[in-house]
Amino acid sequence: EAGVAQSPRYKIIEKRQSVAFWCNPISGHATLYWYQQILGQGPKLLIQFQNNGVVDDSQLPKDRFSAERLKGVDSTLKIQPAKLEDSAVYLCASSPLRDLGDYEQYFGPGTRLTVT
Amino acid sequence: LAKTTQPISMDSYEGQEVNITCSHNNIATNDYITWYQQFPSQGPRFIIQGYKTKVTNEVASLFIPADRKSSTLSLPRVSLSDTAVYYCLVTGRRALTFGSGTRLQVQP
Repeated sequence: EAGVAQSPRYKIIEKRQSVAFWCNPISGHATLYWYQQILGQGPKLLIQFQNNGVVDDSQLPKDRFSAERLKGVDSTLKIQPAKLEDSAVYLCASSPLRDLGDYEQYFGPGTRLTVT
Repeated sequence: LAKTTQPISMDSYEGQEVNITCSHNNIATNDYITWYQQFPSQGPRFIIQGYKTKVTNEVASLFIPADRKSSTLSLPRVSLSDTAVYYCLVTGRRALTFGSGTRLQVQP
């Protein structure tokens, strides 16, 4: 079974530029998550999709971050414009639809973003 | 948010059993307790999940007391390759919060 795919793996941009990350979840997984992980900290949930609908985006900085999941499969996360504090690893995860609370998340390798 | 508290770091030696405790005082009735392992430059990897009492798989055991306000991840006979950060997570209806995790260092 193929895992969660993410691209690019690394990205360096200057502040105020825009950037986009792509995620392809495990086939058949209804739920998709985007996390931001700053060095030395645990992952922070940015947005959670179930199929192509948003379940939770309460921690997504909506003035600069946006995400979409067209057709309930692939997803893109965009930052525009980027700030220095956006430097982090962006992790995508997916999970199958099971009982509330009873699920495993499968994580991709992440995209390491450096904003200079 | 269901907040969890874990020790920041732990040290152990190869072959020892390691127990990492997590407190989650405001866990809700429908919440599960899930543990993940993360190596540098990789995404977290699922280890084990439980709702109550004891769960065991080929990698670890998870002990959850009756009040479910804490849980203990038990790693039997650790090796150098178990050096990683371990996260306790309460999964349920509310937003997912990882916390800072426990950094386990296994020495030879």
